[in-house]
Amino acid sequence: DSGVTQTPKHLITATGQRVTLRCSPRSGDLSVYWYQQSLDQGLQFLIQYYNGEERAKGNILERFSAQQFPDLHSELNLSSLELGDSALYFCASSERLAGRDTQYFGPGTRLTVL
Amino acid sequence: AQSVAQPEDQVNVAEGNPLTVKCTYSVSGNPYLFWYVQYPNRGLQFLLKYITGDNLVKGSYGFEAEFNKSQTSFHLKKPSALVSDSALYFCAVRDKSNYQLIWGAGTKLIIKP
Repeated sequence: DSGVTQTPKHLITATGQRVTLRCSPRSGDLSVYWYQQSLDQGLQFLIQYYNGEERAKGNILERFSAQQFPDLHSELNLSSLELGDSALYFCASSERLAGRDTQYFGPGTRLTVL
Repeated sequence: AQSVAQPEDQVNVAEGNPLTVKCTYSVSGNPYLFWYVQYPNRGLQFLLKYITGDNLVKGSYGFEAEFNKSQTSFHLKKPSALVSDSALYFCAVRDKSNYQLIWGAGTKLIIKP
């Protein structure tokens, strides 16, 4: 167990809908990262927050947004969902911003868009 | 551009034999390198990392990796494979411009009894 928790574990929804994925980082970790893992595109970095502020953006669509709250948990909001958004969404956390810090991953949320 | 490559989509090894999962990288300066493992329907688990120092890094579950600067490689190894080692393995290198991890495509390791 990495100490990173994600809810829900599974989510099934329809095209055009909006969903929110939640992540709680390991105790003491200030950085949160969101990743998307699909069969054909591997692991894609979406966005990073550090202590409540956005620090880096990856391949995140405009339909997606995220935030990190004062208690350091984070939410990833996915809107106007398309079939292609079906994937595993992972949250990871690390202690700081330092390059040598290890990212610890949560168990993921499996999103199915029908 | 910084990148990491895992040249093998799949590696098959007999139980008890040594295993190697390959990773090569391209990054300016001294790299920070990581290996993760993903079991079916699970999140990624950290195995080991190279930051500096000894080129041979020991990690979880009996795995180790050797950093080779001249060959820009960071291959994952284990002396004796177990069936339970069957999983998807990811190599990653830290992008020093923004501290993000650059991920390889993953290598599926299959250990046959």
